[in-house]
Amino acid sequence: AQSVTQLDSQVPVFEEAPVELRCNYSSSVSVYLFWYVQYPNQGLQLLLKYLSGSTLVESINGFEAEFNKSQTSFHLRKPSVHISDTAEYFCAVSLNFGNEKLTFGTGTRLTIIP
Amino acid sequence: DTGVSQDPRHKITKRGQNVTFRCDPISEHNRLYWYRQTLGQGPEFLTYFQNEAQLEKSRLLSDRFSAERPKGSFSTLEIQRTEQGDSAMYLCASSSRGQGDDGELFFGEGSRLTVL
Repeated sequence: AQSVTQLDSQVPVFEEAPVELRCNYSSSVSVYLFWYVQYPNQGLQLLLKYLSGSTLVESINGFEAEFNKSQTSFHLRKPSVHISDTAEYFCAVSLNFGNEKLTFGTGTRLTIIP
Repeated sequence: DTGVSQDPRHKITKRGQNVTFRCDPISEHNRLYWYRQTLGQGPEFLTYFQNEAQLEKSRLLSDRFSAERPKGSFSTLEIQRTEQGDSAMYLCASSSRGQGDDGELFFGEGSRLTVL
């Protein structure tokens, strides 16, 4: 069975500073990797995903994540955060193309300090 | 289309009562998923449907839980004889697997259950 570890439950960051949210996974087979974001009082939204190809994937709002197979990681980064990035971020894995049965991490709450 | 909608958004009930949650997926989506999220945890998979067929159920879904999607559109999740441990956010998601889409999951805002 696969599992996801997000070691940081809360990450406070000053506005315009860089941030990295860590995600490590465990699986005996190849996986597909996702980052979901949950803004206050909203449902989960897909931020970005790695299915195949380039190991560096980007979102439309400046986040990027790099799949590192040797370190079984999929860390999320942004070079300069904004107040609007305040949210909870969940890393997730799936064994099947098409997002069936996602296994989520426990989430990281990103708080931006003005 | 306004996305995935769930009803009710909040439900407070006494232990032993039955509760039912409804999920209306995005209209053209053929797959519908239920997840449960407890405080401090990520969402956990419960079950999913392709059209009206329930294809998989998690071991988390005890006999007191039943989910249906009778016409392949909306779905209901019923919990019988609720227990305090059932208190959680119940999330519904839909996707258009196999319909020329990569199957991205679209989540509703969830139904929060509090069992007293």
